Amino acid sequence: QLHLQESGPGLVKPSETLSLTCTVSGGSIRSGTYYWGWIRQPPGKGLEWIGTIFYTGTSYYNPSLKSRVAMSVDTSTKQFSLNLSSVTAADTAVYYCARLDGLYVFDNWGQGTPVTVSS
Amino acid sequence: DIQMAQSPSSLSASVGDRVTITCQASQDINDYLNWYQLKPGKAPKLLIYDANHLKTGVPSRFSGSGSGTHFTFTISSLQPEDIATYYCQQYGDLPPRLTFGGGTKVEIK
Repeated sequence: QLHLQESGPGLVKPSETLSLTCTVSGGSIRSGTYYWGWIRQPPGKGLEWIGTIFYTGTSYYNPSLKSRVAMSVDTSTKQFSLNLSSVTAADTAVYYCARLDGLYVFDNWGQGTPVTVSS
Repeated sequence: DIQMAQSPSSLSASVGDRVTITCQASQDINDYLNWYQLKPGKAPKLLIYDANHLKTGVPSRFSGSGSGTHFTFTISSLQPEDIATYYCQQYGDLPPRLTFGGGTKVEIK
């Protein structure tokens, strides 16, 4: 059974870079069918798609975050990562990693990890 | 960008009631719509994909319908374990620009 687990610092200082990793177990990250993505939910707000990446490195980002986002994949460790630069308090959120069936359907999610941006 | 207007933002219903949530897209998205269930502290779950396809293993009391700009998500008989927030998500753009509705919090009366 596929399992995704987010990991990373729970507290990031303003202007610094938020870095998170998602570890995939119970399935292959090198699938030709599935993509991998990040979604976040600020406190009291709805869900926001951050970006999507294929195991080859092909990626798609939310235009509103594109200038600050970078995603990568490490097939040897079965992990994919998110870097969000120049963070502010508005980036405080629960961050989820997920598998996408194709480019569009989030069919498996991690439990999420809370990240607070504060000095 | 395609915007999704989801309503209501919250609702309270009794066990056994029929519950309906709607999502309105700002432009035609064919049947490119999914529905998710979020519970605090748990991994979100995909319930419905492509507007009306039930994910394997999801109880049949959940269903989805609609196409174009108007979509509906229904719980035919609300159960206590259905207390959650539900979100629609569209994928009508190329390259993909995935957007979610604002969410509907479902509570037991």
